[in-house]
Parts: sequence; structure tokens; C-alpha cells
Amino acid sequence: GESVGLHLPTLSVQEGDNSIINCAYSNSASDYFIWYKQESGKGPQFIIDIRSNMDKRQGQRVTVLLNKTVKHLSLQIAATQPGDSAVYFCAETTSGTYKYIFGTGTRLKVLA
Amino acid sequence: EAQVTQNPRYLITVTGKKLTVTCSQNMNHEYMSWYRQDPGLGLRQIYYSMNVEVTDKGDVPEGYKVSRKEKRNFPLILESPSPNQTSLYFCASSPRTSREDEQFFGPGTRLTVL
Repeated sequence: GESVGLHLPTLSVQEGDNSIINCAYSNSASDYFIWYKQESGKGPQFIIDIRSNMDKRQGQRVTVLLNKTVKHLSLQIAATQPGDSAVYFCAETTSGTYKYIFGTGTRLKVLA
Repeated sequence: EAQVTQNPRYLITVTGKKLTVTCSQNMNHEYMSWYRQDPGLGLRQIYYSMNVEVTDKGDVPEGYKVSRKEKRNFPLILESPSPNQTSLYFCASSPRTSREDEQFFGPGTRLTVL
């Protein structure tokens, strides 16, 4: 619920603007990356994923960019809507393992 | 409806009193996992299971046990809970095929250990 978000960095954007949420991942051997959205009082929900053989992947209103050189992942949300307000997490894992490492998250606030 | 369910959703208990948090999925997923979520730390993996009778430790397994006797169920057991296990717990499942790795999360269990 709300208590897990108290220490999170916050990104505030105007409704209709584009949002960019960044994530630095930790393991250079990671080859699969996922973005999750977590609304207050709910479990994380899958948004989009990308494998390490790609630099970019697009979904509906969302794009994930992967820069393996600097171990950086970003989530772009186009035309941000009030329903996009949530905490966003990146996660990484390596094929052949079953362990996931999650980032600490970013809170997105959409201003009307 | 395809889903992951957890019970109970909220639990307040006292130090040392054994408890079990149940997790069940109806998607015939092979992979299941438990996480805890704490402020400033994000989600941390406790235990995971690749299939029935196959479990392994995540990053923070101390003080927890799991079992996977059936494909659909993956209970989390705290034999002797302590206050530092106060947290928000999530169960997740995934098909873990080469093309489908998405994890589906349950609604969470908020545990308070006094």
C-alpha cells in the first residue's frame, strides 16, 4: 500500500505530457528486463519487457529502451493519463536462473 | 478468471507464533515465487519454485520456509516470526517458457509481528 512508497523518488508530470522513468540495473549478465506498475494497495502488474538482444521495444503508449553499455533501462509513457499514477519498478533476471532483482521504484504523479 | 490469490490479506501476530501465508494460482504455471516489499528496498525475493517439489532460496530466505507439494499452491511458512519480518508479502507465478516470462502477482499480504 501507501507505506512502501514513502521513500521513493517522485516524478510529477502534467496530464498529456510524456513521462520518462529511469532505472539502473545491477548485473551485467542480466538478459531479460521487465517494467511493472504498482497501484496503491495492489500487487505489481506487468507493463512491458525487453530482452538483451533488443535496444527498444514498443507497446501501447509505452516504450522501453535498453542501454547495455551503461546498464540503463528507461520506460517512456506517451500522453500520460491520471490512471498512470502509480509506482513503477524495473526488474532484471538472467536466462537459466530463476532469480529476479527489482529496483526500488519511482512514483509517478500525474497532475491535472 | 486467471489469478493469484493470497490468504490472509492482513495479519497481526506476536513474536514466535508460527504462521502460514497461503498462495494459489489457477493458471497451471510451473514457476512460483515469494517476495517481501519494504520501504526504500523494493521487492526482494525470498524463495522460488521451478516446479513441484523443487524450491530454492532467493536473496532473503532467513526465517522463512516454503513447500511445493502441488503445482497450484506455494505456502510461505514463518516458524517463529520476529518483528523484522513485518512487511508486505507478494506471491507471484509465471509460465517461464522461452517466450512467456511474465510474472503475475497476488494482491499482497500485510504482516505485522509484534
